[in-house]
Amino acid sequence: EVQLAESGGGLVQPGGSLRLSCVVSGFSFDTFYMSWVRQAPGKGLECVANIKQDGSDKSYVDSVRGRFTISRDNSKNSLYLQMNSLRDEDTAVYYCARGGGPAAGKDFDYWGQGTLVTVSS
Amino acid sequence: QSVLTQPPSVSEAPGQRVTISCSGRTSNIGNNAVNWYQQFPGKAPKLLMYYDDLRSAGVSDRFSGSKSAASASLAISGLQSEDEADYYCAAWDDDLWSWVFGGGTKLTVL
Repeated sequence: EVQLAESGGGLVQPGGSLRLSCVVSGFSFDTFYMSWVRQAPGKGLECVANIKQDGSDKSYVDSVRGRFTISRDNSKNSLYLQMNSLRDEDTAVYYCARGGGPAAGKDFDYWGQGTLVTVSS
Repeated sequence: QSVLTQPPSVSEAPGQRVTISCSGRTSNIGNNAVNWYQQFPGKAPKLLMYYDDLRSAGVSDRFSGSKSAASASLAISGLQSEDEADYYCAAWDDDLWSWVFGGGTKLTVL
């Protein structure tokens, strides 16, 4: 059974940092692109970052580029999102999702349960 | 402002058919496959349709997808109360070099 489990969310002050983790099981982690998708309260979905199977290629949405860093450790079946210089508008549920590579197809076919990040003073 | 445009809400009576539209441009829907996701309150999204018109495993054949030029649609026939959810379209965007989503459509079964 495919499972993705995020952790690391919480309350942080503006300008602060958080590191999200996602541990996966049930599939060959190192053969899939992986992504972080967020959803602000009452809003839609936004893919904020994705990473290639071997970690050699990463891309970010403009609003987080330079502040967020996506990484992975294939030996630990784990995906990470380091979030620095957090802003109020980064408040959202963050999901890790399988897929998200360029012009693929059956992407985001599995999702974690999400972890809530709240940026507030 | 989402890159893909969806109606904020649609509603229809049980047993009827409803269509949710998703409008984009050449760089996304025009050139690439469209996926649809279903999300219930407080839950993670679930892949419903991929490659424009293929149903994900276990998805009822009451759901169907289509695409023409830079627009796509999700149709749900024989509406049931359990179909009440938010629906999102998504596609890869060649210019933004990222997956983009629609703003979501809330389906109400009257």
